[in-house]
Amino acid sequence: QVRLVQSGAEVKKPGASVKVSCKASGYTFTTYYIHWVRQAPGQGLEWMGTIHPSGDSTTYAQNFQGRVTLTRDTSTSTAYMELSSLRSGDTAIYYCARDWELGHWGQGTLVTVSS
Amino acid sequence: SSELTQDPAVSVALGQTVRITCQGDNLVTSYVSWYHQKPGQAPILVIYGKNIRPSGIPDRFSGSSSGNTASLTITGAQAEDEADYYCNSRDRSGNLLLFGGGTKLTVL
Repeated sequence: QVRLVQSGAEVKKPGASVKVSCKASGYTFTTYYIHWVRQAPGQGLEWMGTIHPSGDSTTYAQNFQGRVTLTRDTSTSTAYMELSSLRSGDTAIYYCARDWELGHWGQGTLVTVSS
Repeated sequence: SSELTQDPAVSVALGQTVRITCQGDNLVTSYVSWYHQKPGQAPILVIYGKNIRPSGIPDRFSGSSSGNTASLTITGAQAEDEADYYCNSRDRSGNLLLFGGGTKLTVL
């Protein structure tokens, strides 16, 4: 079955960077886009961007342009989301999800930004 | 880009029918996906494309669209349907995903 397993919770200081991983299994990794979505405490879902694992093409939401970098490692079927220049407003749960329908989601990774 | 607008909260009596709507200019040409999310859990896809339910989603969930408004209908709402519901779709360029602000459904 399709599984997306994300890395564990992180605590970062303002100005630092965080890199979250999303390991895929149960399907051919290079076939489907991986999207990243975040959810601040008590708030709604916010799309951050997407990467196609086969050719490494990426598209980012305007709100995150210049601060987020999506990458992948096809040898381990793992996608990565790196967010830089962290601020308190970046405290959120970060999810990866498969393909444009977002039919399969990772369990989420809590990133806390605090001094 | 454009926005997707959802009512913040909707309630329904147990066993009755409820419609949750999502409005946006891009919806005239783009399909909408719907998700429900319970506290502490990741969202779950319930409808995508032209009213397609993923495996395991009960048939009381259905989707429709007219003009710039998409709807998720739950026919015979159950207590376990109480959750936050989100819509999303691609923007006009087809390159970006947009989310609605979410609707909190209460089953009375």
